[in-house]
Amino acid sequence: GENVEQHPSTLSVQEGDSAVIKCTYSDSASNYFPWYKQELGKRPQLIIDIRSNVGEKKDQRIAVTLNKTAKHFSLHITETQPEDSAVYFCAAPTGGGNKLTFGTGTQLKVEL
Amino acid sequence: NAGVTQTPKFQVLKTGQSMTLQCAQDMNHNSMYWYRQDPGMGLRLIYYSASEGTTDKGEVPNGYNVSRLNKREFSLRLESAAPSQTSVYFCASSDVRGNTEAFFGQGTRLTVV
Repeated sequence: GENVEQHPSTLSVQEGDSAVIKCTYSDSASNYFPWYKQELGKRPQLIIDIRSNVGEKKDQRIAVTLNKTAKHFSLHITETQPEDSAVYFCAAPTGGGNKLTFGTGTQLKVEL
Repeated sequence: NAGVTQTPKFQVLKTGQSMTLQCAQDMNHNSMYWYRQDPGMGLRLIYYSASEGTTDKGEVPNGYNVSRLNKREFSLRLESAAPSQTSVYFCASSDVRGNTEAFFGQGTRLTVV
């Protein structure tokens, strides 16, 4: 199969707390794992990505970890802020790398 | 740079009508995609074009056709619209198939009544 499963579908955290979103993939040939953020009424935009030759990548308050053996990768957001509220999508290349398959999304709400 | 441009932004169709969604990118990308987004369903791939001259079905191709007119343009056609095709449609492009960042258009909100 060429599935990308994402959990949870909704996540509510208090401002300042951390948020973690997890994805699993089935195509063992996948070697690129991006995360996209979509604000209400806007287009999805890349926030961070990781390639299979590294296990972790950080960019300020966001980080992505990859476990190729278990075929899962996670998005970590620390010190969450109200502007982090959005829908987050993971994705992975499938079909021999010819296409990008997305997870079903996580609605993150950061409460004051 | 404009990036990925989609037209129209909004459209209302009657059941059975046809229409074409246009998409153009100015980043010299090789790959282009059409996704639909429905609540709780994420972004589902309708059709994609891994390179100029090729098109392939994605996860939900029924009721749609595509044309990769040239390297810049990738259009999506609904031949006979159905209420089930009410959705937000996104065009996207990437440089190297699914292995590089995808850039999205602003989306088309389509309602079929």
